[in-house]
Amino acid sequence: AQSVTQPDIHITVSEGASLELRCNYSYGATPYLFWYVQSPGQGLQLLLKYFSGDTLVQGIKGFEAEFKRSQSSFNLRKPSVHWSDAAEYFCAVGPIQGAQKLVFGQGTRLTINP
Amino acid sequence: DTAVSQTPKYLVTQMGNDKSIKCEQNLGHDTMYWYKQDSKKFLKIMFSYNNKELIINETVPNRFSPKSPDKAHLNLHINSLELGDSAVYFCASSQRTGMNTEAFFGQGTRLTVV
Repeated sequence: AQSVTQPDIHITVSEGASLELRCNYSYGATPYLFWYVQSPGQGLQLLLKYFSGDTLVQGIKGFEAEFKRSQSSFNLRKPSVHWSDAAEYFCAVGPIQGAQKLVFGQGTRLTINP
Repeated sequence: DTAVSQTPKYLVTQMGNDKSIKCEQNLGHDTMYWYKQDSKKFLKIMFSYNNKELIINETVPNRFSPKSPDKAHLNLHINSLELGDSAVYFCASSQRTGMNTEAFFGQGTRLTVV
């Protein structure tokens, strides 16, 4: 079955430090991969997506992610975090067996220390 | 203009009541979804409609009934509300055809059943 694992439930980093959020997926075909961010009390905003082509994708707010097929990973990175990056981050894979749905990881809560 | 809008944003109701959540998208997408986010922030799809036709129904109790009057609207009606229905419900939309299956999410409706 298709699944997404985000191994880190909660990560704390200092403002200005670099960030990497991990995402591993299980999927039988070429996946479409997404990272969404959810700020407190807000909806989900798409940070970036991978469909095909260049395995390093750039997103909004200075985020990037790298697709590594051999490791079934799609880790999210940012060179220098800002206090406003504190939020919940979700990795997702889709579509699933042609059905237009996303399967989400359990999320990683990011806390920023001043 | 808001791309995917849900109303209400907050809903507090007693057990046994019937309630509806409305969703509208102005992106011209042909597919709409309802996702449920539980208290542990886990997101799971409930329903998907394509051009007003139900295409995904993920083992959701039949107390939940989606209705799509046109492809820009997908409402969620819940009968006989239970405590376990308390969650945040997200509406989303995407374009089914073509390569871009990026989903846009609404702000969510926080349902509290007391």
